[in-house]
Amino acid sequence: DAGVIQSPRHEVTEMGQEVTLRCKPISGHNSLFWYRQTMMRGLELLIYFNNNVPIDDSGMPEDRFSAKMPNASFSTLKIQPSEPRDSAVYFCASSLEQGVYEQYFGPGTRLTVT
Amino acid sequence: AQSVAQPEDQVNVAEGNPLTVKCTYSVSGNPYLFWYVQYPNRGLQFLLKYITGDNLVKGSYGFEAEFNKSQTSFHLKKPSALVSDSALYFCAVRLYNTNAGKSTFGDGTTLTVKP
Repeated sequence: DAGVIQSPRHEVTEMGQEVTLRCKPISGHNSLFWYRQTMMRGLELLIYFNNNVPIDDSGMPEDRFSAKMPNASFSTLKIQPSEPRDSAVYFCASSLEQGVYEQYFGPGTRLTVT
Repeated sequence: AQSVAQPEDQVNVAEGNPLTVKCTYSVSGNPYLFWYVQYPNRGLQFLLKYITGDNLVKGSYGFEAEFNKSQTSFHLKKPSALVSDSALYFCAVRLYNTNAGKSTFGDGTTLTVKP
């Protein structure tokens, strides 16, 4: 398996633009997580899905952020409009739901908003 | 509610010496505990986990961790550190039977192994 795939790996955009980050989880995994990592705040859970349904989005910072999972093999995290304080590394992770399973992280998307 | 504390932001050890990265947790029930490692410019990688049974669990790259229920701790250890072990380490806890596998992560501990 190729692991969790994220695209793009790097994104540079101007303030006010829409940004869409993409994630393909490991086949067969039915839990998917979006995280944000910064030096100031560390690793933050933004939202997670189980069987394509959002379970907890309490970590989403504000209405500018939205996430979707239209099917088991694809998820997006959208920021509209983007702001400089959104600059961070965004990770997607997936895991098996049943039992106790570790999360597998993608390589991350480094977002810079100027 | 569940939480994890990693009391040390940074741990420095000399190559060949034993290392310990500390983790304490708080959950209202039986915990599942995990350690992850993050190398520069990479995503987190799973190292090991405790579910039940033997309190000493062994994982990747020669790491092990000891679950101590009375002290609510799950410290990561390695008998002989390597320079290549230098990385950011995260402890995570999940409450038994929590839906969909959500874990709470600690703030991370930067391990530096000097030659």
